[in-house]
Amino acid sequence: EVQLVESGGALIQPGGSLRLSCAASGVTVSLSYMTWVRQAPGKGLEWVSTIYSDGRAYYADSVKGRCIISRENSKNTLYVQINSLRADDTAVYYCARASSGWPYYLDYWGQGTLVAVSS
Amino acid sequence: DIPMTQSPTSLSASVGDRVTITCRPSQSISNHLNWYQQKPGKAPKLLIYGASTLQSGVPPRFSGTGSGTDFTITISSLQPEDVGIYYCQQLWTFGQGTKVEIK
Repeated sequence: EVQLVESGGALIQPGGSLRLSCAASGVTVSLSYMTWVRQAPGKGLEWVSTIYSDGRAYYADSVKGRCIISRENSKNTLYVQINSLRADDTAVYYCARASSGWPYYLDYWGQGTLVAVSS
Repeated sequence: DIPMTQSPTSLSASVGDRVTITCRPSQSISNHLNWYQQKPGKAPKLLIYGASTLQSGVPPRFSGTGSGTDFTITISSLQPEDVGIYYCQQLWTFGQGTKVEIK
């Protein structure tokens, strides 16, 4: 059974940084296309970042330059760090496993972790 | 990025009704379109991928069709547990969502 468990969400002041974790079981993070998706309160889904199995990383324009996606193979864990946090980064952040090719569907999701950016 | 337009934004239908939601990308995306259902307070769930392939475990009352720039997801007989928000997705872009409620 595949399980993705996010952690690290918190209340953070604007300008701060946060690193979220996604601990995986039943799937090997280093062999998978792993993705972060976020959802602001009452809003729709927004893709944040994806790391491919070969290490290539892609970012949404809204976080480009402030965001780093990474993984720790020994812990089978995915991370995302977002710097210079802004109020509009407030959201539930989900990690998900993407299929490794077209049509790039997201078949396994974590339960999400809440990041609130406020002074 | 290819913008995706979903319609309607919301709908209300009776139990047993046939419900259809449309997703239109701004340019052709072949059959590279996926559908998700999100219930309140829960993570999204994959329903259909590749425009028409039902994810394992998804009830057969759900179906998807389309290619190019015109896609639909249909619930053949709406059930109370189908209430939620439905999203289409292509690569790393989501539609804005369609809220489905019971009348």
